[in-house]
Amino acid sequence: GAVVSQHPSRVICKSGTSVKIECRSLDFQATTMFWYRQFPKQSLMLMATSNEGSKATYEQGVEKDKFLINHASLTLSTLTVTSAHPEDSSFYICSARSGGLETQYFGPGTRLLVL
Amino acid sequence: AQSVTQLGSHVSVSEGALVLLRCNYSSSVPPYLFWYVQYPNQGLQLLLKYTSAATLVKGINGFEAEFKKSETSFHLTKPSAHMSDAAEYFCAVIEGGAQKLVFGQGTRLTINP
Repeated sequence: GAVVSQHPSRVICKSGTSVKIECRSLDFQATTMFWYRQFPKQSLMLMATSNEGSKATYEQGVEKDKFLINHASLTLSTLTVTSAHPEDSSFYICSARSGGLETQYFGPGTRLLVL
Repeated sequence: AQSVTQLGSHVSVSEGALVLLRCNYSSSVPPYLFWYVQYPNQGLQLLLKYTSAATLVKGINGFEAEFKKSETSFHLTKPSAHMSDAAEYFCAVIEGGAQKLVFGQGTRLTINP
């Protein structure tokens, strides 16, 4: 099956610093990648959708200047949390979709803790 | 806009018993429906999906789900629960042509020995 990786799996940073999370599709080309946020014991909330080579589309309420998304190639998307604060601590999950397929394949997630 | 409702945030069954996780959707057009499973501190794994073919869909790990248009439901079942089935289960919907998955609230499945 399709494999999506995320790096790092866990990161702890100080308040005010920026953190970059990578999402890679390992065995297929992902024309679309999605970034989700999941708080403890809650469902996944879509943050943004990114298509290769174009700007990401952010969901209502998500600050695009705080959560920078770059989908530079068909196998890599990055999420940068800029000037992170403790309230940004969460589990961030990416998913990838190929072409016209309806199925999204999810990465293992990145747990961010901002001190 | 489409939405998904999972009835019961927590379901507990005995090992070997029937598993039934409920999901209802609202959609103005025939939807694509999915069940995902999430183990602690991991991403989501696709269990099965309905894409307007057979209404009874078989997935991995012995799970299956039946699409019932008249009831707008897509309940997940497994005849005999195993301890390894303990996890969080999410139902999700996507309308044909749209890109975004919309998730239900999730149901935590606990298996009692």
